[in-house]
Amino acid sequence: QKEVEQNSGPLSVPEGAIASLNCTYSDRGSQSFFWYRQYSGKSPELIMFIYSNGDKEDGRFTAQLNKASQYVSLLIRDSQPSDSATYLCAVNLHWDNYGQNFVFGPGTRLSVLP
Amino acid sequence: DADVTQTPRNRITKTGKRIMLECSQTKGHDRMYWYRQDPGLGLRLIYYSFDVKDINKGEISDGYSVSRQAQAKFSLSLESAIPNQTALYFCATSSSEGMGDQPQHFGDGTRLSIL
Repeated sequence: QKEVEQNSGPLSVPEGAIASLNCTYSDRGSQSFFWYRQYSGKSPELIMFIYSNGDKEDGRFTAQLNKASQYVSLLIRDSQPSDSATYLCAVNLHWDNYGQNFVFGPGTRLSVLP
Repeated sequence: DADVTQTPRNRITKTGKRIMLECSQTKGHDRMYWYRQDPGLGLRLIYYSFDVKDINKGEISDGYSVSRQAQAKFSLSLESAIPNQTALYFCATSSSEGMGDQPQHFGDGTRLSIL
């Protein structure tokens, strides 16, 4: 079963706070994990990707991966109103003879309040 | 992302019409994808292609066909459009080079309405 789940939100945080976005996945063989940001009516934009357990930081963003628990999260520090968007988690399944398949979660809508 | 160009950006058409959505890229990527996005359902993969001679069905390929005319061009066709194909369609590209799975990069999308 190929599933990627996210809380649809909306998740509301005040400006300057830390926003925490979570994603769980069902396939234990999953190898690669991606976070995209999508503004309403626009295309998904890559924020970060992570392959190994632990944390990966890029500016105000930190991705956290725990393969044993099958979750990946995205932390946004010092949240800004411009961070208000839908955040999509994508999981790339273990490579097999049938090729690559990104599976996207439904997205979490984040609202940062001024 | 200006490096992945989709045409048209918007299209309104009638049930039963044949429609082609086009995607071209200047990223030099070998892999290309077509997705549709519906409210509450997220992005779903329609077809993908790893090179010019490779075409693979995705999760929801019924009612769609594709053509990879060149490494830089990947088109999606709806042979006989039906209203439930009304959606936002995205083309994406990725590279097979480098360590690990490379991320996908998206075009600006085509908003398709079928009446």
